[in-house]
Amino acid sequence: GDSVTQKEGLVTLTEGLPVMLNCTYQTIYSNAFLFWYVHYLNESPRLLLKSSTDNKRTEHQGFHATLHKSSSSFHLQKSSAQLSDSALYYCALKRTGNTGKLIFGLGTTLQVQP
Amino acid sequence: ETAVFQTPNYHVTQVGNEVSFNCKQTLGHDTMYWYKQDSKKLLKIMFSYNNKQLIVNETVPRRFSPQSSDKAHLNLRIKSVEPEDSAVYLCASRDWGFQNTLYFGAGTRLSVL
Repeated sequence: GDSVTQKEGLVTLTEGLPVMLNCTYQTIYSNAFLFWYVHYLNESPRLLLKSSTDNKRTEHQGFHATLHKSSSSFHLQKSSAQLSDSALYYCALKRTGNTGKLIFGLGTTLQVQP
Repeated sequence: ETAVFQTPNYHVTQVGNEVSFNCKQTLGHDTMYWYKQDSKKLLKIMFSYNNKQLIVNETVPRRFSPQSSDKAHLNLRIKSVEPEDSAVYLCASRDWGFQNTLYFGAGTRLSVL
């Protein structure tokens, strides 16, 4: 079945350093939609980025990600971490045409320290 | 701006009790979901409704039952709670059309003693 792998459960960084959160996925279908959701403490999870286009960079709020279907990856990056980026980040997969069900990875907690 | 409203925020109960959680969305979406976020932060879909019809029913225990009166409301009832039901229950909605984005509520945290 479909699956999403986020190999890091916790990433701790010093403010100002670059961020890279890994996400790989498995699906037998070529029409996958990939998402990054961010969940700040005491708030609702919300969409950060999404893409279904191969090799096209998508950006939002300083973060960016590129869907690479050849390697089944959708890594989240930011050039310089800020304290306010500390949150739980979920990568998720949806196949076009199914019920809209999202398959989430286990999540990566990003802790940015001063 | 909040558009998916969940009540209650927290609920503490004892094993064997019945609980109900409410969810309402004001986005005009026609699809709503219940997700469970467990203690390890794993986020897993439980149910999905499209216009009051159940379309996704993952393998969840029979004590869980969703209820939808109209497309803006999706409630969750747990008949006889177990300790492993302690989790955050997140409601979400989505427009069935081209929009793929899920909009989540703030969640209901359930603690079963």
